[in-house]
Amino acid sequence: AQSVTQLDSQVPVFEEAPVELRCNYSSSVSVYLFWYVQYPNQGLQLLLKYLSGSTLVKGINGFEAEFNKSQTSFHLRKPSVHISDTAEYFCAVSVRWEYGNKLVFGAGTILRVKS
Amino acid sequence: DGGITQSPKYLFRKEGQNVTLSCEQNLNHDAMYWYRQDPGQGLRLIYYSQIVNDFQKGDIAEGYSVSREKKESFPLTVTSAQKNPTAFYLCASSIPQGGNYGYTFGSGTRLTVV
Repeated sequence: AQSVTQLDSQVPVFEEAPVELRCNYSSSVSVYLFWYVQYPNQGLQLLLKYLSGSTLVKGINGFEAEFNKSQTSFHLRKPSVHISDTAEYFCAVSVRWEYGNKLVFGAGTILRVKS
Repeated sequence: DGGITQSPKYLFRKEGQNVTLSCEQNLNHDAMYWYRQDPGQGLRLIYYSQIVNDFQKGDIAEGYSVSREKKESFPLTVTSAQKNPTAFYLCASSIPQGGNYGYTFGSGTRLTVV
């Protein structure tokens, strides 16, 4: 079964510091990977996605992620965070099921940016 | 602008009541989804519809029901059989095989049992 593991439930960081949110997936087939952000009491917004090609993917709000097939990881990074980046971040992987493809989400990582 | 509209934003349910959460999209997407979100548990799939008049149970369908009479609409009913309905509910939509391209989400409905 394909699954997603987000290794940290919460990540506290000071403003303007770099941050990495970790995501590992289990899969033996081609993967499509996604990062979403959720602000309090809102829906999920797509940050970036890896479908194929370059393993370094750039997204919105200055975030980027690197697909590492050998380590089955898709970690999210930002070189300098802002207070406004405080939110919950979800990693997701596309899996095949009997009705086509669906997204399976990790448990989420809460990023807390402190001043 | 195209998007997904969920209503209401907040909903309170008494014990034993059925309630219906609305989800409407104008993205012309074929596939629609309902997820339940609880703290620390990520998103769990309740129901999925890939075409009008067809839908499938997800991982936690017990106590929920859906209909898909129109492409634009995918309402979710939380029945009295759902023993712990307090949660944040998210609706999403996508093109076919949307798992390969990502979903568009609504802003959610927070349901509380009172």
